[in-house]
Amino acid sequence: AQRVTQPEKLLSVFKGAPVELKCNYSYSGSPELFWYVQYSRQRLQLLLRHISRESIKGFTADLNKGETSFHLKKPFAQEEDSAMYYCALSLEAGGTSYGKLTFGQGTILTVHP
Amino acid sequence: SQTIHQWPATLVQPVGSPLSLECTVEGTSNPNLYWYRQAAGRGLQLLFYSVGIGQISSEVPQNLSASRPQDRQFILSSKKLLLSDSGFYLCAWSVGQGSEAFFGQGTRLTVV
Repeated sequence: AQRVTQPEKLLSVFKGAPVELKCNYSYSGSPELFWYVQYSRQRLQLLLRHISRESIKGFTADLNKGETSFHLKKPFAQEEDSAMYYCALSLEAGGTSYGKLTFGQGTILTVHP
Repeated sequence: SQTIHQWPATLVQPVGSPLSLECTVEGTSNPNLYWYRQAAGRGLQLLFYSVGIGQISSEVPQNLSASRPQDRQFILSSKKLLLSDSGFYLCAWSVGQGSEAFFGQGTRLTVV
């Protein structure tokens, strides 16, 4: 069965420090992976997806099939990055919309000034 | 533009009482609709999804049911709530090839 693991429930860094939010997955098929973010008093929203291979708000994430990981990284954290971050795995094959997701437990990132 | 409405934002219900949470989507047609739940200390879990009116798929066995009486309306229900039904419920929609999921504001349900 598919599973997404985010080993860190809480992560604290200082402004300007690098940050890495870990995500590991188990899935027998070809994975489609996403990072979702929820800022305080806002809706859960997509941050980035691995198929896009893009950087959003300075964040990047590389899919490592050998290590079954999809860690989220940012070289210099900002206070506005403080939020809850979820790693998610799509249960649907390509060519459909990606609404059926398996989520990790989430990591609360706090960036201190 | 598309929007999703979910209500109520918070709800406190006694054990054994019925439940009805409603979600509506505006600005799109024939969306895929989803209900997720986050229980304390756990990640978001997919409960139900629907690809069309009257078409409901359940992902996990539970005390809840879902219905889709109209194209853009998705309802989560229970006849008798259990303490274990407490949690944060999120409605989401997606449409089109490669589309991401868009989430509502969520409902915090506390069963007492």
